[in-house]
Amino acid sequence: KAGVTQTPRYLIKTRGQQVTLSCSPISGHRSVSWYQQTPGQGLQFLFEYFSETQRNKGNFPGRFSGRQFSNSRSEMNVSTLELGDSALYLCASSISRATNEKLFFGSGTQLSVL
Amino acid sequence: DQQVKQNSPSLSVQEGRISILNCDYTNSMFDYFLWYKKYPAEGPTFLISISSIKDKNEDGRFTVFLNKSAKHLSLHIVPSQPGDSAVYFCAASDYGGSQGNLIFGKGTKLSVKP
Repeated sequence: KAGVTQTPRYLIKTRGQQVTLSCSPISGHRSVSWYQQTPGQGLQFLFEYFSETQRNKGNFPGRFSGRQFSNSRSEMNVSTLELGDSALYLCASSISRATNEKLFFGSGTQLSVL
Repeated sequence: DQQVKQNSPSLSVQEGRISILNCDYTNSMFDYFLWYKKYPAEGPTFLISISSIKDKNEDGRFTVFLNKSAKHLSLHIVPSQPGDSAVYFCAASDYGGSQGNLIFGKGTKLSVKP
């Protein structure tokens, strides 16, 4: 069974640009979560989608947005990039986000903002 | 405010000895705790979890202990192996409540020396 796939693996952008990251969950998984990992802050929750609906959102500005498609694939978008947005963005999937369900993470997209 | 804290950024242990990684939390609503392991250039992988109704869970060389009164959990690895060298993240959730997402600590980098 294929794991969680994130594309692209690496991205270099400049301040002010926007970026779209993609995540394909494990087949059969309907919940997709996004996390930002930085050396200083660890993993921070961005948002979670289930059946194309955002169910939870972390404490990030509105420049960070996402969506989920009917096939459970998800994208996240960051507009007006800032230097501080440089981070590893991780996508995780689970079957339904029921109680006590663990997440399966992709390898992440490393975003560098210059 | 950091709800899940891993106060030791790094830990070095000799092969064959015990590794003890610690995690403290502040939110008494957390009812499920997980440990994830992360190698460089890969996403975190689930290691072991514990429900708040238990105080210990064991899986092979890995044991997680939960002390609810102290709001403290620890991961014991016995015996430690060089392949265990990675960053370990503690995570917590209140799936029964309103959060519905994992809150991660900043991680502890474990180095197991041969």
